[in-house]
Amino acid sequence: GAGVSQTPSNKVTEKGKYVELRCDPISGHTALYWYRQSLGQGPEFLIYFQGTGAADDSGLPNDRFFAVRPEGSVSTLKIQRTERGDSAVYLCASSQAGDYNEQFFGPGTRLTVL
Amino acid sequence: AQSVSQHNHHVILSEAASLELGCNYSYGGTVNLFWYVQYPGQHLQLLLKYFSGDPLVKGIKGFEAEFIKSKFSFNLRKPSVQWSDTAEYFCAVYGGATNKLIFGTGTLLAVQP
Repeated sequence: GAGVSQTPSNKVTEKGKYVELRCDPISGHTALYWYRQSLGQGPEFLIYFQGTGAADDSGLPNDRFFAVRPEGSVSTLKIQRTERGDSAVYLCASSQAGDYNEQFFGPGTRLTVL
Repeated sequence: AQSVSQHNHHVILSEAASLELGCNYSYGGTVNLFWYVQYPGQHLQLLLKYFSGDPLVKGIKGFEAEFIKSKFSFNLRKPSVQWSDTAEYFCAVYGGATNKLIFGTGTLLAVQP
């Protein structure tokens, strides 16, 4: 399909482990965003890429969280030393170049840290 | 800091009832406003958006929203809901020199047949 895809759809891990979450944006979209949605809350901004560079990473909660987008397309969100509080749905979105364009969301990855 | 408030957390309506979901934001400058919907088992999708011009915007599936700058509001409306409108609705705002979408906490709408 032509939409944003995310893998895996579900990830269960143990406290202290490392996880990687992948996002494939819509082809041609230069802007890519990561959000985190906890139960009963709206999506919360984590980081925004314009091309290969992180234009705004002010939403990353701490230095255990890191994201890359080396070729300006696929992005990986990396979480080190996972904690139970990291359990949430991690959403990826992409948009065309330029500010304030409509963001298209993927289905999310549900992360559960035991 | 920008914030978005959705005061109705859970709304239950019968089919054909009218719907209005409240959304208020806190930002004094130019804003771009959105309503997103998440149907059960599906991902977030755009319902409608306001960037400029006519403050009454129409979206998909008969939804509309009115931007009232003086009230910092962007309420969502539909004159007659259907069972298929059962979903979670999120208001979101872009504002200032940022590409962050700030979301409200969402309103869960259940329409009873």
